[in-house]
Amino acid sequence: EPEVTQTPSHQVTQMGQEVILRCVPISNHLYFYWYRQILGQKVEFLVSFYNNEISEKSEIFDDQFSVERPDGSNFTLKIRSTKLEDSAMYFCASTPLLSSDTIYFGEGSWLTVV
Amino acid sequence: QKEVEQNSGPLSVPEGAIASLNCTYSDRGSQSFFWYRQYSGKSPELIMSIYSNGDKEDGRFTAQLNKASQYVSLLIRDSQPSDSATYLCAVKGNNNDMRFGAGTRLTVKP
Repeated sequence: EPEVTQTPSHQVTQMGQEVILRCVPISNHLYFYWYRQILGQKVEFLVSFYNNEISEKSEIFDDQFSVERPDGSNFTLKIRSTKLEDSAMYFCASTPLLSSDTIYFGEGSWLTVV
Repeated sequence: QKEVEQNSGPLSVPEGAIASLNCTYSDRGSQSFFWYRQYSGKSPELIMSIYSNGDKEDGRFTAQLNKASQYVSLLIRDSQPSDSATYLCAVKGNNNDMRFGAGTRLTVKP
């Protein structure tokens, strides 16, 4: 069964460093998402991406965050200058069609900022 | 602010009982409603989706939606210890962003 894959599964970084989290959505999917989940807290929407541009973003997705799809397969989340409070599980997700509602999640990337 | 509210629990039921999970949402324009299950340290996995008022059954799971009351629920019949997890209510509006509730932790005791 096709799945969303994410790398790395776990990354430890120093505060102030840039981090790039990578995702390969399911191949025929058109709509991509990033969510984050701080330990013990709710899954929070960050951003959605369609047709090579941001479709929707939350108040969490400020100027330190960016997304891109550099090569038509990878979908990346960049955090420019990490803070301690960015430590969380980051989930990539995708959905096949604009009208489709089922969102498929990757296994997540654990980010620890020290 | 689009809010999705769940009773955080924990909810504990004996094996074989019915577990009832509830969720309310604030955005009246919401179109699609989902229940996900999340095991600790894992990603959410879809259990049920529901789009119109009423009940939708899938095996031991029944989702119920009442748009007038902005309420969606999940019933788990014949609960099993393997059902022990956090259940996430998720709501999607016209603009394709899906918002999650904080989740209800369910424990099914053998």
